[in-house]
Amino acid sequence: GAVVSQHPSWVICKSGTSVKIECRSLDFQATTMFWYRQFPKQSLMLMATSNEGSKATYEQGVEKDKFLINHASLTLSTLTVTSAHPEDSSFYICSARGQTEQYFGPGTRLTVT
Amino acid sequence: AQKVTQAQTEISVVEKEDVTLDCVYETRDTTYYLFWYKQPPSGELVFLIRRNSFDEQNEISGRYSWNFQKSTSSFNFTITASQVVDSAVYFCALSGKNYGQNFVFGPGTRLSVLP
Repeated sequence: GAVVSQHPSWVICKSGTSVKIECRSLDFQATTMFWYRQFPKQSLMLMATSNEGSKATYEQGVEKDKFLINHASLTLSTLTVTSAHPEDSSFYICSARGQTEQYFGPGTRLTVT
Repeated sequence: AQKVTQAQTEISVVEKEDVTLDCVYETRDTTYYLFWYKQPPSGELVFLIRRNSFDEQNEISGRYSWNFQKSTSSFNFTITASQVVDSAVYFCALSGKNYGQNFVFGPGTRLSVLP
């Protein structure tokens, strides 16, 4: 079946630094990818929709200047958390839309100290 | 607006008991998709089932079964003869008429199966 990977699987960074998370569709092309955030013991909340070759669409309350999304190719979308703070510590999950299905990545656990 | 409600925040059962996880959804779309995912402690979502709005047939897969009732906007999930390995958080999710749309997740139900 189709696979979506995320890199890194976990990352620890210091407050004020930036972190990049990659989401790759390994065996299919994804024109659309979604980024979700999941705080501990909470549900997944959509952050943004990423379309290849165009600007991402952000959900209300998500700062586009803080969470930079780039979808430069049909197999890769990146989420950069700029000037990370402890409150950005969360589990970030991407999903990629194939022709008829959507597939979730394994997630990236970000801890900001 | 789309919304998914899972009224049970946490459930504890003893191994071999049957357990039903409730899911109620709201949508204005006539065509939509419903899903169940399992999230073990590792965090990775495990796909369990997808059902489209035109298919109200109940489905059984091993110890898992699903009951979809459009009349009550519910898509309940039953685990028969639960096992310790079933312990996880279970999410019900909804996607709109365009399957490429994002998912709206319910709050999740944390299931603990005790030996």
